[in-house]
Amino acid sequence: DTGVSQDPRHKITKRGQNVTFRCDPISEHNRLYWYRQTLGQGPEFLTYFQNEAQLEKSRLLSDRFSAERPKGSFSTLEIQRTEQGDSAMYLCASSFNGQNQETQYFGPGTRLLVL
Amino acid sequence: AQKVTQAQTEISVVEKEDVTLDCVYETRDTTYYLFWYKQPPSGELVFLIRRNSFDEQNEISGRYSWNFQKSTSSFNFTITASQVVDSAVYFCALSNFGGATNKLIFGTGTLLAVQP
Repeated sequence: DTGVSQDPRHKITKRGQNVTFRCDPISEHNRLYWYRQTLGQGPEFLTYFQNEAQLEKSRLLSDRFSAERPKGSFSTLEIQRTEQGDSAMYLCASSFNGQNQETQYFGPGTRLLVL
Repeated sequence: AQKVTQAQTEISVVEKEDVTLDCVYETRDTTYYLFWYKQPPSGELVFLIRRNSFDEQNEISGRYSWNFQKSTSSFNFTITASQVVDSAVYFCALSNFGGATNKLIFGTGTLLAVQP
């Protein structure tokens, strides 16, 4: 089985630039999650999709952040006008919504550095 | 509100020692899931175990064992005969059961360093 993949693995950008990350979930998984992890902290929930519908967004997700999951397959997370405080690891996870299937499997993450 | 506390920030042991990582959680839900994940230096979170709140049986998997006690809201993780490859950050996490989102609430993690 192919696991969750994320692209790029690393991104360095200048403050004010836009960046976009991609996540490809495990193929049969209908739920997809984005988390953000800063140094020394646990991951924090950003947003969640069931199929193509975005059902929950955290207050952490400012209006500069937008996520999509067209056709319920891969997802993208875009950050507009990046700020130094956006520097973090962005993690994607997927799961299957079914009995005893509620385990989220994580991708390798995208490490963002905003200069 | 849901919360996970991992009071141990860092633990250092010598290879072959046993080590227990503590996890205490808070939730108002009567049914929930508890998880442990391992994050090696590469950064990817690796799933280790999931427990349902209605199943308090302890579990053993090789050198790993988990002790779930609802009475103390704890879900502790023990590694027996630790190895250098066990060096990583370990996260305990909580989610609701059967809810709309099942988002994970993570603790701050425990950095385990196993010295040869």
